[in-house]
Amino acid sequence: EAQVTQNPRYLITVTGKKLTVTCSQNMNHEYMSWYRQDPGLGLRQIYYSMNVEVTDKGDVPEGYKVSRKEKRNFPLILESPSPNQTSLYFCASSPSRTGYYGYTFGSGTRLTVV
Amino acid sequence: KNEVEQSPQNLTAQEGEFITINCSYSVGISALHWLQQHPGGGIVSLFMLSSGKKKHGRLIATINIQEKHSSLHITASHPRDSAVYICAGEGTYQLIWGAGTKLIIKP
Repeated sequence: EAQVTQNPRYLITVTGKKLTVTCSQNMNHEYMSWYRQDPGLGLRQIYYSMNVEVTDKGDVPEGYKVSRKEKRNFPLILESPSPNQTSLYFCASSPSRTGYYGYTFGSGTRLTVV
Repeated sequence: KNEVEQSPQNLTAQEGEFITINCSYSVGISALHWLQQHPGGGIVSLFMLSSGKKKHGRLIATINIQEKHSSLHITASHPRDSAVYICAGEGTYQLIWGAGTKLIIKP
C-alpha cells in the first residue's frame, strides 16, 4: 500500500531532550515536507526537500533540523525541544514539487513538550 | 504576498443538504488543492485544480482562474462528511494554506 509512515503517533517529552520524528514513504516521491498544525494558525511548513541531499527552510524552521540522506526517509529532529514546539506534526510527500498529482500525508505526530 | 482565504469558518447542516465551501486566492498561486482532515487528524488530498472542474463521487470542485476563486461542493451530504476541509494554493516552493472550514452534518 502506498503510504507515508510517521512515527511515533504520540509523544510526550521533557524540555531539552533531543527527539526525532521519523517519516518514510514507499512511493519513490521526490518532494517531502514537514508541517506543524496549531489551533487558530492552520498548517505551517517547517522544512521541505526537493530530493536527496536537497533541503530548505519553510516558514517556521527555528528549533528544527531535517536530513534527506535517502529518498524514502525525511526525519524531523528537535535538538532541544521547548514547550512552544508542542503541536501536531505532519509529514507529506509528492511525486514532484508542483503537486500536480496531489500530496500524501502521514497520520500525524502529536507532540507534547513539558 | 500569497494568500488563501476560506469561508465559512464553520458550517453546520442537515443530512442531505447541498454544501458549498469557498476559497479565494491571490496572484502567484498556480493551482489549488482541496484536502479533508478527519476528526482523528489524518489529512487526505481530495482534488488538485488548475482549471475547470473535477468530480469524485459526491464531491465536486470548481475553479475560476480569472476571479481567483474555487469552490468545493458536497451533494447529498452525510454525517460521515463531517470533517475540516482545507484549501491550499500552490506557491513557488510551498503550499499556502487556508484556515479550514469545519463542517458538521447532523443526521
